[in-house]
Amino acid sequence: DGGITQSPKYLFRKEGQNVTLSCEQNLNHDAMYWYRQDPGQGLRLIYYSHIVNDFQKGDIAEGYSVSREKKESFPLTVTSAQKNPTAFYLCASSIEQAGKETQYFGPGTRLLVL
Amino acid sequence: AQSVAQPEDQVNVAEGNPLTVKCTYSVSGNPYLFWYVQYPNRGLQFLLKYITGDNLVKGSYGFEAEFNKSQTSFHLKKPSALVSDSALYFCAVRDIAQGTYKYIFGTGTRLKVLA
Repeated sequence: DGGITQSPKYLFRKEGQNVTLSCEQNLNHDAMYWYRQDPGQGLRLIYYSHIVNDFQKGDIAEGYSVSREKKESFPLTVTSAQKNPTAFYLCASSIEQAGKETQYFGPGTRLLVL
Repeated sequence: AQSVAQPEDQVNVAEGNPLTVKCTYSVSGNPYLFWYVQYPNRGLQFLLKYITGDNLVKGSYGFEAEFNKSQTSFHLKKPSALVSDSALYFCAVRDIAQGTYKYIFGTGTRLKVLA
């Protein structure tokens, strides 16, 4: 998990509420990602960004929003439009230097709905 | 489009026995392949990768993987399994389409090492 921090570890959301998950990296990686993992399932890509001030939708972007104002930070907002937000959220960043491409993950945030 | 498949949801192996976790891929061009391990309520940890070079790649915790181009496989192996190896394992391929930085993950294989 080294170099990528996610907070909080657990997050509770009330119905109709927007919540923001934090992801910070000190690895000087250009690219950052958000994934959602449901129990017993694989990873699904929500959003990704390969450069500051630019990001692209992944496979399940509806109900989520992101920003990339700084290279180190890629916060994810789970909006009230996301009707089933309970999941484990994983942030990742990657080296994109030719021949060294590798993705690294943070420790995750578990989001629960009250 | 790039894809990976992990055909086994779960693999059981006795402690001390060799283990194999299977992964096959479908890519256009040369594949960039990765293995990750996930322990409960934790993020994924990088184990090893193949980008180019030797077909046998050695990684963390005694794991290795063999790239087989003719069989389009990248199976994860360890000569002697430990109970502490019990975890969820993911194979991944980097999407090399121009202008994208996406990584595509398999559905995961749960490894259970029995004492």
